[in-house]
Amino acid sequence: DAGVIQSPRHEVTEMGQEVTLRCKPISGHNSLFWYRQTMMRGLELLIYFNNNVPIDDSGMPEDRFSAKMPNASFSTLKIQPSEPRDSAVYFCASSLTLPRTGLYEQYFGPGTRLTVT
Amino acid sequence: QQQVKQSPQSLIVQKGGIPIINCAYENTAFDYFPWYQQFPGKGPALLIAIRPDVSEKKEGRFTISFNKSAKQFSLHIMDSQPGDSATYFCAASMEGAGGTSYGKLTFGQGTILTVHP
Repeated sequence: DAGVIQSPRHEVTEMGQEVTLRCKPISGHNSLFWYRQTMMRGLELLIYFNNNVPIDDSGMPEDRFSAKMPNASFSTLKIQPSEPRDSAVYFCASSLTLPRTGLYEQYFGPGTRLTVT
Repeated sequence: QQQVKQSPQSLIVQKGGIPIINCAYENTAFDYFPWYQQFPGKGPALLIAIRPDVSEKKEGRFTISFNKSAKQFSLHIMDSQPGDSATYFCAASMEGAGGTSYGKLTFGQGTILTVHP
């Protein structure tokens, strides 16, 4: 298995531009998570999906952030318009979660390093 | 109540030493406690995990100690090696109503471990 795939690996953009980050979860996994990592705030959960449905987006910092999961093999995180304070590493993770089995292992992608100038 | 507090923020040991990283939680509904290891430029990866029905779990040189009454758990690395230098995150998760937690993890702030040769 190729693991969780994220693209691009690096993104440099100017303030005000739209940024789209992409994620392909591990085949067969039914939960997908988007995280943001910075030195100041650590690893923050932004939003997560189960069976392609958004479950909790309370971690999304502002309306400028949106996420979609149109099918089981693809998700996007969009920032529009981007700001310098959005600079961070964004991780996507997936897992196979089954009720009452206690299976919670998340597999992380390599991350997208976003720099907004 | 959803927080997981991790300490120390950073830790430096000599090769062969036994670094210990501690985490504390408030929510007694948490029932799964993993540790993740992250190398620079990579996503976090599951290292070892424990459930509250046991007080200790070992996998190779890594041991989790769990104290349910104190609501604390810790990671010990025996015979530490320079290759163990990484950031370590503790986390916690819980089964939601009807088994609907979807595998959401609450992460600690991370500990940067440096093992000198």
